[in-house]
Amino acid sequence: EAGVAQSPRYKIIEKRQSVAFWCNPISGHATLYWYQQILGQGPKLLIQFQNNGVVDDSQLPKDRFSAERLKGVDSTLKIQPAKLEDSAVYLCASSRPGQGDYGYTFGSGTRLTVV
Amino acid sequence: AQSVSQHNHHVILSEAASLELGCNYSYGGTVNLFWYVQYPGQHLQLLLKYFSGDPLVKGIKGFEAEFIKSKFSFNLRKPSVQWSDTAEYFCAVKDSGGYQKVTFGIGTKLQVIP
Repeated sequence: EAGVAQSPRYKIIEKRQSVAFWCNPISGHATLYWYQQILGQGPKLLIQFQNNGVVDDSQLPKDRFSAERLKGVDSTLKIQPAKLEDSAVYLCASSRPGQGDYGYTFGSGTRLTVV
Repeated sequence: AQSVSQHNHHVILSEAASLELGCNYSYGGTVNLFWYVQYPGQHLQLLLKYFSGDPLVKGIKGFEAEFIKSKFSFNLRKPSVQWSDTAEYFCAVKDSGGYQKVTFGIGTKLQVIP
């Protein structure tokens, strides 16, 4: 099966600019996750969707980050405005409902550099 | 809040040496446990998982991990490492709470010297 697709792979922006990332999960995977991985740290969950509904966004900085998953398939994560500390790799992952026990399938990530 | 501790941040081994990477978690309830691996330039991949049954689980590429409930630990082991095992290894824990959130450890960078 095709993996989790993410774009772009790399993005460099100036602080206070806006940026958006796109994720296409594996077909049939109703659960979608966005993680932030800062250099030297483990991935941190930003938001979890079940179909097009938000299950957990407790660690999403809602003053600047937003995410949507229209139609329960593709998802976009937006940062507006970006700060230097947002420099990180943004990972998208997906899993089947009830099969999160088997782990997620991760995309290759988008490496964001804010200068 | 749940936390995951990985004690070794950077490990350097010679080929054929044995490997053990420590992982401890703080959640007191039922958990699912994972080890993920990230090879240089590649995305995170599931190495092995535990969710019930035999506490000694075997994963891909000769890796295994043992769940010790009394110690809140899930250490990763491999009897003989290869140069191709050079990667970053992440322990992750999924709790049984409402959101079943997965928390990752900080990661351990393993460098295997030929």
